[in-house]
Amino acid sequence: EPEVTQTPSHQVTQMGQEVILRCVPISNHLYFYWYRQILGQKVEFLVSFYNNEISEKSEIFDDQFSVERPDGSNFTLKIRSTKLEDSAMYFCASKERSISYEQYFGPGTRLTVT
Amino acid sequence: KQEVTQIPAALSVPEGENLVLNCSFTDSAIYNLQWFRQDPGKGLTSLLLIQSSQREQTSGRLNASLDKSSGRSTLYIAASQPGDSATYLCAVGETSGSRLTFGEGTQLTVNP
Repeated sequence: EPEVTQTPSHQVTQMGQEVILRCVPISNHLYFYWYRQILGQKVEFLVSFYNNEISEKSEIFDDQFSVERPDGSNFTLKIRSTKLEDSAMYFCASKERSISYEQYFGPGTRLTVT
Repeated sequence: KQEVTQIPAALSVPEGENLVLNCSFTDSAIYNLQWFRQDPGKGLTSLLLIQSSQREQTSGRLNASLDKSSGRSTLYIAASQPGDSATYLCAVGETSGSRLTFGEGTQLTVNP
């Protein structure tokens, strides 16, 4: 069964460093998302991406964040200058079509900022 | 701003029991509602998706209902098994692109 994959599974970085989290969505899906979950807290929406552009973003998704779909398969989240509070599990999700379809989540990347 | 609440926060039941998990949301203008399962340190596994026009969806031992007007959904698990132990998350899709707004989850433990 097709699944969303994410790499790396765990990333440790120092404050102020740039990180890129990578995702490979399910191949025929058109909508892509990033969410994060700080330990012990709710899963929070960061950004959605459709037709090669951001369709929606949350207040969390400030200028330090960017997303890209550099080729036909990868979807990346870049954090330019990491802060301690960026430590979280980051989930990528994808969906085949609009309203009627489920979002499928990847296994997550645990980002630890020291 | 949409708020999603799940009750109870934790639930412990003996194997074989039928149980109900509750989810409520403050803004009834939703497109759909999705239930997920999350195992410790893992990703989210989609269980059921209910469209705003639907009343319920079933998958195996799981049945999810939706009452949009009252802002409530329930997840019914029949004949619970120890393998059902996990955190169950409810999430509402508010737009056609369906960003999901999540509840805090219910941590379920099924004891053998």
